[in-house]
This record gives sequence, C-alpha cells and structure tokens, in this order.
Amino acid sequence: AQKITQTQPGMFVQEKEAVTLDCTYDTSDPSYGLFWYKQPSSGEMIFLIYQGSYDQQNATEGRYSLNFQKARKSANLVISASQLGDSAMYFCAMRDSRGFQKLVFGTGTRLLVSP
Amino acid sequence: DAGVIQSPRHEVTEMGQEVTLRCKPISGHDYLFWYRQTMMRGLELLIYFNNNVPIDDSGMPEDRFSAKMPNASFSTLKIQPSEPRDSAVYFCATSGGSYNEQFFGPGTRLTVL
Repeated sequence: AQKITQTQPGMFVQEKEAVTLDCTYDTSDPSYGLFWYKQPSSGEMIFLIYQGSYDQQNATEGRYSLNFQKARKSANLVISASQLGDSAMYFCAMRDSRGFQKLVFGTGTRLLVSP
Repeated sequence: DAGVIQSPRHEVTEMGQEVTLRCKPISGHDYLFWYRQTMMRGLELLIYFNNNVPIDDSGMPEDRFSAKMPNASFSTLKIQPSEPRDSAVYFCATSGGSYNEQFFGPGTRLTVL
C-alpha cells in the first residue's frame, strides 16, 4: 500500500537560511509521482513542486528543490533563502499508477521562519 | 482562470441539519476530488470523480455523506443529517496542468453545533 511519512512535526529556520523538510514514501509500483504542497495559515493548498520516479534530474522550481533519493525512497523538499512568507504547513504527497489520480498525503511539517 | 470555486466558504449549522457544499472545477479538468481536513485525522480523501463518474468513494465515512457530479461544471457534497464530528474544512480539488497536479479550492469551513 502507498504510504507517505513526514517525521518532522515542526521546523524552525532563520530568514535567509536554507531548510530541508523530510519525506519518505513507500510503494511497490515503479511508476509514481511525488508532490509537495504548501498550506499557509489562510488555509489554501498550493502546489509547489513535482518529481516523477523516472526523472533523471532533481526537480527545481525557483527557491524550491527536491532532493530525490530513489533507493532510499526519500523526496525531501529544500527551500533556499527562507522568507517570512514561507511559514506554513508543508505536505508531501504521492501518486502511483495503481491509484490512478489519487494522492496520498503525509501528515505535514509546520515550518516557522523567524526574522 | 478563476481556479476551483467552492461555496459557501463558511457554514455553521446545528446537529441534524442537512448541509450541502458546492464546487465548480477548473474548466477542462477531468478529475474532481473531495477532501476533509481535521487536526486529528489530517487530510482525508472522501471521493473522486473522473468525467463526472464516481471512481472511488471508499473514503466516504458513512451513509450520511453523499456526493454528486451532475455535469463537468459542478459537484456537491451533502451531509444529512450533520453531526458535530463532521466539523472540518472540506476541500474540492481538480487535476490538470503539466504534471496532472491537483489544484485545490479555498475550502469550506463547516461547524456543526
């Protein structure tokens, strides 16, 4: 069965520093996709970045990058040069071919960026 | 594009009342999902549709919950009768884009007294 694990309930980082949010996953399907979403205090869910299981390169989107280690089944989100507006909940999610378009979400990590 | 539209944004009702949540998906998106988010249980998938047809409703908690998608532009999630434990934020999402990522609506915060 698909499973996403986020072991960090909360993380603190100072403004302008980089931070890594951990995500491990479990699936027996060789074809899958990994997603990260941000949920600020206002409540909306915002898509950040995607990594496909067959992608050769780690995904990057602006200040977001995904440290994809397939053998370890980890897909950590790296935020460079943190900003105050990065304070939010961050969710890792997975979709595999057997789940069709279903996403399985982790429990989330709350990030707090301090000045 | 206006994104996924949900209404109402907030709903306060009394136990036993019927509640209807509404969702207008992004045009052209073939999949529509209903989620529920609570502190205790996190984000749960309730049901999802493909081309207006329900594909998987295994997450619907009980018979008090029902969802419909009569056309490609509209979906409803109904709770009848509502109970205090149904209090949560309900999200509608549709998938499309480069990675078929899911786009979420702003959510409906439901409080059942």
